[in-house]
Amino acid sequence: QSVLTQPPSASGTPGQRVSISCSGSSSNIGSNDVYWYQQLPGTAPKLLIYRNNQRPSGVPDRFSGSKSGTSASLAISGLRSEDEADYYCAGWDDSLSGYVFGTGTKVTVL
Amino acid sequence: QVQLVESGGGLVKPGGSLRLSCAVSGFSFSDYYMNWIRQAPGKGLEWVSYISSSGRTIYYAASVKGRFTISRDNAKNSLYLQMNTLRAEDTAVYYCASSYGDEIFASWGQGTLVTVSS
Repeated sequence: QSVLTQPPSASGTPGQRVSISCSGSSSNIGSNDVYWYQQLPGTAPKLLIYRNNQRPSGVPDRFSGSKSGTSASLAISGLRSEDEADYYCAGWDDSLSGYVFGTGTKVTVL
Repeated sequence: QVQLVESGGGLVKPGGSLRLSCAVSGFSFSDYYMNWIRQAPGKGLEWVSYISSSGRTIYYAASVKGRFTISRDNAKNSLYLQMNTLRAEDTAVYYCASSYGDEIFASWGQGTLVTVSS
């Protein structure tokens, strides 16, 4: 059972901005960094954002992350058809002494 | 380039055992800490286990603690997951993922499917 809560779905038309929330608690997001992953259909996940708002090399600046208190969010600007995927937040949980993933959000490009 | 290749998945009966392997190339394996992450069919991601670069620090998810054992052989650039007392709910694609510094789960393998069924 995931301890990080995300909306099950989000959608937008090409060019629009889409935002995905990730809600946690003081033992995870509230005290540790947040990471975001993109999983295209039938493939392994890919790291999109690390340390709340940092992009690995090769990730377009259309993807941005932020964190405030016990919540975090991922924004995709200039939405493209290739952004259609599942997105997961993740982070370390001090109470569980382990990593936790969000419930996942399916982004659809209309 | 960075490559992680899992193997060892398959069909096993409830209560049975399986050993997964993850062969790594393209980076200095002994400098990276490693994880196993799984994904049940049609479901989300679940972290399973972590092992530090030296192998001295290990963590497990509550759902597998006492049944699964993570290990690594830095000389062979390989990561392992020994899975015992398997249950139907362990059915999933198992991914190995590497972490370095602040980049957690930066690289992933293609996954290996474990099916627990009678």
